Amino acid sequence: AQKITQTQPGMFVQEKEAVTLDCTYDTSDQSYGLFWYKQPSSGEMIFLIYQGSYDEQNATEGRYSLNFQKARKSANLVISASQLGDSAMYFCAMREGTSGTYKYIFGTGTRLKVLA
Amino acid sequence: DTGVSQNPRHKITKRGQNVTFRCDPISEHNRLYWYRQTLGQGPEFLTYFQNEAQLEKSRLLSDRFSAERPKGSFSTLEIQRTEQGDSAMYLCASSLVGGINEKLFFGSGTQLSVL
Repeated sequence: AQKITQTQPGMFVQEKEAVTLDCTYDTSDQSYGLFWYKQPSSGEMIFLIYQGSYDEQNATEGRYSLNFQKARKSANLVISASQLGDSAMYFCAMREGTSGTYKYIFGTGTRLKVLA
Repeated sequence: DTGVSQNPRHKITKRGQNVTFRCDPISEHNRLYWYRQTLGQGPEFLTYFQNEAQLEKSRLLSDRFSAERPKGSFSTLEIQRTEQGDSAMYLCASSLVGGINEKLFFGSGTQLSVL
């Protein structure tokens, strides 16, 4: 079974508008972490935002926010005020295990295209 | 603060040749990961090191693949007798083991094309 599911292979958004990228996850661990990474065409994976499973508030980092719904096992990324430079692949990832034995699992990604 | 560095950025080789990639992690990071990414997919775990010890290898890592981190700093990934199916982006990441805020920092990857 997929541990990280990203159901949107591609998304379009108009510049300056907000967009939500979906991510659902599956784990039996009580303690885990959820991440979003951006991968531009250059190839480097850039860390965007982190949410711990025990964090009660949704994480925010500038224009990025993570809509964490623990009961639904979803961790959607919201990008506000989209910019042309946001066009890239976006990967949701989960860290499970304990410190010293962490494993990181990635979804298949969503390609976002921001339209001028 | 220099990030994770990978060399070369691109490698084109003929089937059957051996190739070696290098990764220099962030200097104070004690954990180093190798991932493989094929077109349209997310990164898939290959192996990881804590300091110089290789702690886990994925089933994706066949006998033709070997990874080392001899002094707990840089790491090399070697693929022997390359096959066309080995064509992929090979990503290296590092982290500092230290609790719930631990996260991966990635390099720019090595794009391998096997002809």
